[in-house]
Amino acid sequence: DAGVTQSPTHLIKTRGQQVTLRCSPKSGHDTVSWYQQALGQGPQFIFQYYEEEERQRGNFPDRFSGHQFPNYSSELNVNALLLGDSALYLCASSRLAYNEQFFGPGTRLTVL
Amino acid sequence: DAKTTQPPSMDCAEGRAANLPCNHSTISGNEYVYWYRQIHSQGPQYIIHGLKNNETNEMASLIITEDRKSSTLILPHATLRDTAVYYCIVRVAGNTNAGKSTFGDGTTLTVKP
Repeated sequence: DAGVTQSPTHLIKTRGQQVTLRCSPKSGHDTVSWYQQALGQGPQFIFQYYEEEERQRGNFPDRFSGHQFPNYSSELNVNALLLGDSALYLCASSRLAYNEQFFGPGTRLTVL
Repeated sequence: DAKTTQPPSMDCAEGRAANLPCNHSTISGNEYVYWYRQIHSQGPQYIIHGLKNNETNEMASLIITEDRKSSTLILPHATLRDTAVYYCIVRVAGNTNAGKSTFGDGTTLTVKP
């Protein structure tokens, strides 16, 4: 049973560019949440997708957007990258009725 | 979501029990207590969760006080591989508003030989 997978593992971009990160949830899970984790800090909630809609959103600007596909996989898009967007981006999946979230290994984004 | 307070760091001797405390004095009646851990640069790993009863699984035990304002995660026989940052989170479960986890800075547990 595959767990949560994320791609790519690492990514280097320059300021102003756009980036797309991808996540495949654990088998049987229908909800995907995205988190940003800066170095030395706990993960910060970006948004959550369920039934292909954004259900909750954290305190992140509109430069951060997402999408969920019919197969429950999800993408995180970040436009106009800033140096401060450098972080580990984590995807977590869950089933609403059984709410343990399972996290993927993350994508390390570096903005130069 | 309710805020949690954890000590920034703790040490534990290998083979001894590690007891990690968490305060969540503003927890609501429909919020569960979840524990995760994160080993350096990896994604957080789910450990255990509970509502008001004590819980045990193959990894750990969770003791929640009767007033639900605090809890303790117990690793019964800590090993060097248990060295990690441990996060205590409280959040609603089981509805469309679930899924958002508010992480603090966690407790860095160091297991020493």
